[in-house]
Amino acid sequence: DGGITQSPKYLFRKEGQNVTLSCEQNLNHDAMYWYRQDPGQGLRLIYYSQIVNDFQKGDIAEGYSVSREKKESFPLTVTSAQKNPTAFYLCASSNPGNTDTQYFGPGTRLTVL
Amino acid sequence: GDSVTQMEGPVTLSEEAFLTINCTYTATGYPSLFWYVQYPGEGLQLLLKATKADDKGSNKGFEATYRKETTSFHLEKGSVQVSDSAVYFCALSSADSWGKLQFGAGTQVVVTP
Repeated sequence: DGGITQSPKYLFRKEGQNVTLSCEQNLNHDAMYWYRQDPGQGLRLIYYSQIVNDFQKGDIAEGYSVSREKKESFPLTVTSAQKNPTAFYLCASSNPGNTDTQYFGPGTRLTVL
Repeated sequence: GDSVTQMEGPVTLSEEAFLTINCTYTATGYPSLFWYVQYPGEGLQLLLKATKADDKGSNKGFEATYRKETTSFHLEKGSVQVSDSAVYFCALSSADSWGKLQFGAGTQVVVTP
C-alpha cells in the first residue's frame, strides 16, 4: 500500500542531544513537508522540500535541520539549539500534479526529558 | 499574510445531532480551502476540499461550501456519530504558496452516545 511512514512513533531525548526523525513515502511525490503540532494549536511549518536536493525554511525553522538526498526520504533533525522541542511532529507529501492536497504520516511524539 | 480562524472547541454533541464548525480565512487572491480530520494519536486525513468560489466539497456526510463573499468555509454534517469524534482543522493554500498550507488552530468535536 502506498503511504507515508514515520518512525519512531514515540521518542525520548535528553536535553542537549540531537535527534533525527524519519519520514519515508512511496507515493512518488516530489514535495515533502515537516510540521510541528503543540497541544491545542494548529500545525506550524518547519521545513519543506519541493524537489530532491532542495529545501526551504518554513515559519519555525530555528533549531531544526533537514536533508533531501532521495525523493522518498525527508529526515528531520531536532538539534540542541531548539529551545522547546517537546511536540508532535508530522510529515506530509504532495503530488506534483495536485500540490495542494497533502497526505500525512502518523506522526512522531518527541519528549525531552 | 494568510490566516485561518476557526471556532474554538471542544464542541460536545449527542449522536445524530447537527454539526457546524465555522471557519473564516484571510488571503490574497483565490486560495484553495481544505478540511482535515485528526483522530487521537494519528496524523491528519484530508476530509474535503474546494478550489474555487461556490464549490462544495463533500465526503462521508460532511459538506463545506467555499464562500468568497464571506471568506468562509464552514463544515457541516447533518447527523454525527460517535466515530466522528476527532479534531477538525480548516486550512488554506494560496496560489503563490506552492502547496504550503496555513492551518487553523483546530476544533475538537466530542460526540456522546
